[in-house]
Amino acid sequence: DAMVIQNPRYQVTQFGKPVTLSCSQTLNHNVMYWYQQKSSQAPKLLFHYYDKDFNNEADTPDNFQSRRPNTSFCFLDIRSPGLGDAAMYLCATAPGGWKSNTEAFFGQGTRLTVV
Amino acid sequence: GENVEQHPSTLSVQEGDSAVIKCTYSDSASNYFPWYKQELGKGPQLIIDIRSNVGEKKDQRIAVTLNKTAKHFSLHITETQPEDSAVYFCAATPSGGYQKVTFGTGTKLQVIP
Repeated sequence: DAMVIQNPRYQVTQFGKPVTLSCSQTLNHNVMYWYQQKSSQAPKLLFHYYDKDFNNEADTPDNFQSRRPNTSFCFLDIRSPGLGDAAMYLCATAPGGWKSNTEAFFGQGTRLTVV
Repeated sequence: GENVEQHPSTLSVQEGDSAVIKCTYSDSASNYFPWYKQELGKGPQLIIDIRSNVGEKKDQRIAVTLNKTAKHFSLHITETQPEDSAVYFCAATPSGGYQKVTFGTGTKLQVIP
């Protein structure tokens, strides 16, 4: 049973047209992450939520925003996609907590194409 | 912040041989080291992990070793099979709070039948 679900699996958007990617989880985890992964590269952390607390990576462009309306859902908004934003976007969750060092669970990703 | 280096970037082995992937990390505060396997078009999946209070961990054909002093950790796959072909990422996470996973650069493993 899928525990971290990303929709859609494939998304095509036009240059400059806002696009939203979604992620849902059934694990009730406190932490949700968004990663960007370009071809043949490691996933790069964009931002994460610990509960409702939003944490942006210093080098994440302002073009990328995120929303977490509740524990189960998290959205990645790309306000004006450029050709360089074409990538696989990965959502992940983790339990969190001060004594937590357990694994992060990844979704299958959304492959974004910008035309 | 944490920096994780991973070698080699590509690795080809004959079916049945062993494969070894090595990583180094920079942040001595890191104490949890997962390894992820990513198949084409899919998200990373955890295959094994190790915590800093353990030097070695084994799960069937997969083993991981950790040298905290040298800040090295390695993945060992024995008796490789074609289905082991994938990209493998090591990662390191700091203690406390929550995981902020810093990935290595990845190793593309090809097992030749």
